[in-house]
Amino acid sequence: NAGVTQTPKFQVLKTGQSMTLQCAQDMNHNSMYWYRQDPGMGLRLIYYSASEGTTDKGEVPNGYNVSRLNKREFSLRLESAAPSQTSVYLCASSPLGMDKNIQYFGAGTRLSVL
Amino acid sequence: DAKTTQPNSMESNEEEPVHLPCNHSTISGTDYIHWYRQLPSQGPEYVIHGLTSNVNNRMASLAIAEDRKSSTLILHRATLRDAAVYYCILRQRGGSEKLVFGKGTKLTVNP
Repeated sequence: NAGVTQTPKFQVLKTGQSMTLQCAQDMNHNSMYWYRQDPGMGLRLIYYSASEGTTDKGEVPNGYNVSRLNKREFSLRLESAAPSQTSVYLCASSPLGMDKNIQYFGAGTRLSVL
Repeated sequence: DAKTTQPNSMESNEEEPVHLPCNHSTISGTDYIHWYRQLPSQGPEYVIHGLTSNVNNRMASLAIAEDRKSSTLILHRATLRDAAVYYCILRQRGGSEKLVFGKGTKLTVNP
């Protein structure tokens, strides 16, 4: 059981380039999330998807788009990368029901924008 | 989401118990207390959660004060692999989807 898998693990971009961060979970979870983690800022929610076909903005959505491709996959796209988007990006998923409040995280994608 | 307060850092020796405190004086009756930890270069990992009663699982124990304004995560025998940042988070039952992570407590375990 792989859990939550994020690709790539590391990425360096130049300002203005675009890229898509991939996230997949094999736990049949309904909800998926994208966070960014910056030193001294904790984790901040970018976007989340409560179920397949729905997405909602979090605290810091500007400069990002998301796509819930199917129940397993939730991708995060940077259309025109900026140095302020240098961060560690974390994807998470959670089930419905009693364990709804528990989130399971991937190992993260470390992105540098030069 | 209600706010939590944790010490910035704590140290422990290997094989000794560790008590990680968390204050949440503005907790509401429907807030669950969650603990996550983040090992170096990894994503956060769920540890334990509770509402009113003390809770135990294979990773840790959670002791909740009677007035629920504070709680303590207990690692019964710290190992070097327990060195991580520990986050105390309040989640409202049926509330928003996001987890609000503060700065947490960085636990150092000495051999």
